[in-house]
Amino acid sequence: EVQLVESGGALVQPGGSLRLSCAASGFTFSSYSMNWVRQAPGEGLEWVSYIRDSSITIYYADSVKGRFTISRDDAKNSLYLQMNSLRVEDTAVYYCVRESSQPFDYWGQGTLVTVSS
Amino acid sequence: QSALTQPRSVSGSPGQSVTISCTGTSSDVGGYNYVSWYQQHPGKAPKLMIYDVSKRPSGVPDRFSGSKSGNTASLTISGLQADDEADYYCCSFAGRYTHVFGTGTKVTVL
Repeated sequence: EVQLVESGGALVQPGGSLRLSCAASGFTFSSYSMNWVRQAPGEGLEWVSYIRDSSITIYYADSVKGRFTISRDDAKNSLYLQMNSLRVEDTAVYYCVRESSQPFDYWGQGTLVTVSS
Repeated sequence: QSALTQPRSVSGSPGQSVTISCTGTSSDVGGYNYVSWYQQHPGKAPKLMIYDVSKRPSGVPDRFSGSKSGNTASLTISGLQADDEADYYCCSFAGRYTHVFGTGTKVTVL
């Protein structure tokens, strides 16, 4: 069974940093591209970042470019999102999402990041 | 990377059909046959319902169907059931490994 479990969400002050993690199991993690998608409270979904298998290709939404860094450790079956210079508008549930021949086919349960003073 | 436009809400009685539109541009919906649709129940993670405009993942009922014309994609739910009440989001590939989601539509079963 495919499982994606996010962790690391917390309350952080504007300008602060946070690192999210996603532990993957039930599939060959190294063979799949992965994404982070976020959802602000009561709002819609927003694609945040993409990393291809073997980390060859990485892309970011304009809203986080230069502040967020996606990475993966295939030996640990883990995906990460380093978030710096956090803003109030970054407040959201962050989902770890697998991508296969079917886009965004498996989602984690999400982890809440709250940016507030 | 502007969000795709969806109606805020649609509703229908059990057994009826509802259609949700998703309007983008030639840089996303109109430019690629890579539109997907997601169902999200309150407090839950989204679930893939349609991909590549009209394909259904294994396990998704054939009551759910997708189509596209120009810059507008559509999701139709036939034979509406109580459990179909949820938020629905479209999503399109937008080039260079990026994606853009729709604004979301709340489906209400009357």
